[in-house]
Amino acid sequence: TQLLEQSPQFLSIQEGENLTVYCNSSSVFSSLQWYRQEPGEGPVLLVTVVTGGEVKKLKRLTFQFGDARKDSSLHITAAQPGDTGLYLCAGARQAGTALIFGKGTTLSVSS
Amino acid sequence: DVKVTQSSRYLVKRTGEKVFLECVQDMDHENMFWYRQDPGLGLRLIYFSYDVKMKEKGDIPEGYSVSREKKERFSLILESASTNQTSMYLCARTSSYEQYFGPGTRLTVT
Repeated sequence: TQLLEQSPQFLSIQEGENLTVYCNSSSVFSSLQWYRQEPGEGPVLLVTVVTGGEVKKLKRLTFQFGDARKDSSLHITAAQPGDTGLYLCAGARQAGTALIFGKGTTLSVSS
Repeated sequence: DVKVTQSSRYLVKRTGEKVFLECVQDMDHENMFWYRQDPGLGLRLIYFSYDVKMKEKGDIPEGYSVSREKKERFSLILESASTNQTSMYLCARTSSYEQYFGPGTRLTVT
């Protein structure tokens, strides 16, 4: 059973378009992280959200944690080719414990 | 700047060989993790450790063991490598809620 469902699995868009990636679960998490990974490299942490309803912005990226702490979304405004990569969401039941990962969203942005 | 380093970026080993993957972190954190990442399966937890000489099995420990003799170093051992262990291996350490990864080791077993 996949505890974190991530959608869509693949996304191919043109430069300048907006997009949203979703991460859903029936379980409650104490925190949720979003990572970006390039081929052959380890995941790089983008953001951590810990409070239900929390919204964080990182330049053109907006992250939201659901009120019930069961789901999260990543919205990218005016996507650029440099945004291309694998986006992973991961949840923690408690601070410092192993993360549960979604299977990822592969984003391709063409110019 | 957080640093998690892995001893090799690429490894090619033969079936039956004993393989050591080393991971070193530069902060005084206890919690370290080993994952493998495969297409379509995502990241899966192999083993983790919350302190020196302490280890816990993750979701897929079969065929693997670990060693943690010093706080900063966490080693993953493939006792007898098999072709189904060809994968990307990722080491990570946590700081409160946040988990930081090394660059990964791409292991090919032939």
